[in-house]
Amino acid sequence: NAGVTQTPKFQVLKTGQSMTLQCAQDMNHEYMSWYRQDPGMGLRLIHYSVGAGITDQGEVPNGYNVSRSTTEDFPLRLLSAAPSQTSVYFCASSYSGSTRQYFGPGTRLTVT
Amino acid sequence: TQLLEQSPQFLSIQEGENLTVYCNSSSVFSSLQWYRQEPGEGPVLLVTVVTGGEVKKLKRLTFQFGDARKDSSLHITAAQPGDTGLYLCAGENDYKLSFGAGTTVTVRA
Repeated sequence: NAGVTQTPKFQVLKTGQSMTLQCAQDMNHEYMSWYRQDPGMGLRLIHYSVGAGITDQGEVPNGYNVSRSTTEDFPLRLLSAAPSQTSVYFCASSYSGSTRQYFGPGTRLTVT
Repeated sequence: TQLLEQSPQFLSIQEGENLTVYCNSSSVFSSLQWYRQEPGEGPVLLVTVVTGGEVKKLKRLTFQFGDARKDSSLHITAAQPGDTGLYLCAGENDYKLSFGAGTTVTVRA
């Protein structure tokens, strides 16, 4: 199993550009989530999904969109990038009913 | 405002010394998790504690959950350079995690 994979590993955007961060898992996990990690802030939940077709907002959802058309994939879209969105983004997944989350390797995003 | 406060923020010790990392909150959690994260990688779960007063041991690592389920500690005995990393605590309610800011531990050989 590859576990949780994320692409790209690094990305630089200009203010106002849009892009999609990809996340995929091959463990048949129902629950998937997106976090951002900033220095001194820990990981903060952006959006999460409890299954295909179901998404909900986390702690810091503004400026981000998600969709979950399949169990395996959970892309995160930045609609109009801002410098405040410079961060490291982690995707995670878990079985329904389990609190153990498996994290991907992260995407480091810089917005200039 | 961080829901979970970790202390200290940074810790640098010599190989063979002991260390303790604290995770405190005013909120009650159903469970508390500890993760370790290495540079350029995602966090990896070390342990989950569920019951107030619970103590779990993982080789040289001892994890304790407070009686009121609001705080936790991680103690490492005879630290080794391989213990170097960012240690994160996360409180769980309704399957959602709230993370502390982390403690960066450096063990010098």
